[in-house]
Amino acid sequence: EDQVTQSPEALRLQEGESSSLNCSYTVSGLRGLFWYRQDPGKGPEFLFTLYSAGEEKEKERLKATLTKKESFLHITAPKPEDSATYLCAVQSHNFNKFYFGSGTKLNVKP
Amino acid sequence: DTAVSQTPKYLVTQMGNDKSIKCEQNLGHDTMYWYKQDSKKFLKIMFSYNNKELIINETVPNRFSPKSPDKAHLNLHINSLELGDSAVYFCASSPTGTGNNEQFFGPGTRLTVL
Repeated sequence: EDQVTQSPEALRLQEGESSSLNCSYTVSGLRGLFWYRQDPGKGPEFLFTLYSAGEEKEKERLKATLTKKESFLHITAPKPEDSATYLCAVQSHNFNKFYFGSGTKLNVKP
Repeated sequence: DTAVSQTPKYLVTQMGNDKSIKCEQNLGHDTMYWYKQDSKKFLKIMFSYNNKELIINETVPNRFSPKSPDKAHLNLHINSLELGDSAVYFCASSPTGTGNNEQFFGPGTRLTVL
């Protein structure tokens, strides 16, 4: 069964304290793995797409990596404005079908 | 210039009522989706339309009926609302056939059934 598991559920960091979020997946044929940021009361906002193992993408303090079984979202020297829920999703070869994890709620304290 | 818009943002109604949520995208995308996000923040796909044609219909009660009058609009009608239907409903759209399938989400509609 296709599924996505994210850990930890919640993460509290001090400003400047780097860490990583994990997304483990099982899918019958990966078309793509997506990372989103969701702020309270808003819809998810697209961050990255990764298509194959070994691929990496960076945007400001965020870096996403992909292996055959999991993806990591590395946050370097986070700031309070990075506080949000980070969602991971996979798209299977069952075209247009997306599976989301339940997210990691990140809180960065000043 | 909102990319994906939904109305209404909040919807409070009684059990047994029928309600609709509207969604519009101005991104020129061919594919649109409806998702349900429960209290644990888990996003689950309900329906997907590609160019007005239904392509994904997950195990959703048939009280839920999507309608796509054109590829820029995807509405969701819900009959005989139940307490368990309370959730946030998100509309999304994505391009297809380009290899770049990231989804763009609307702001969500918070449905509360009393």
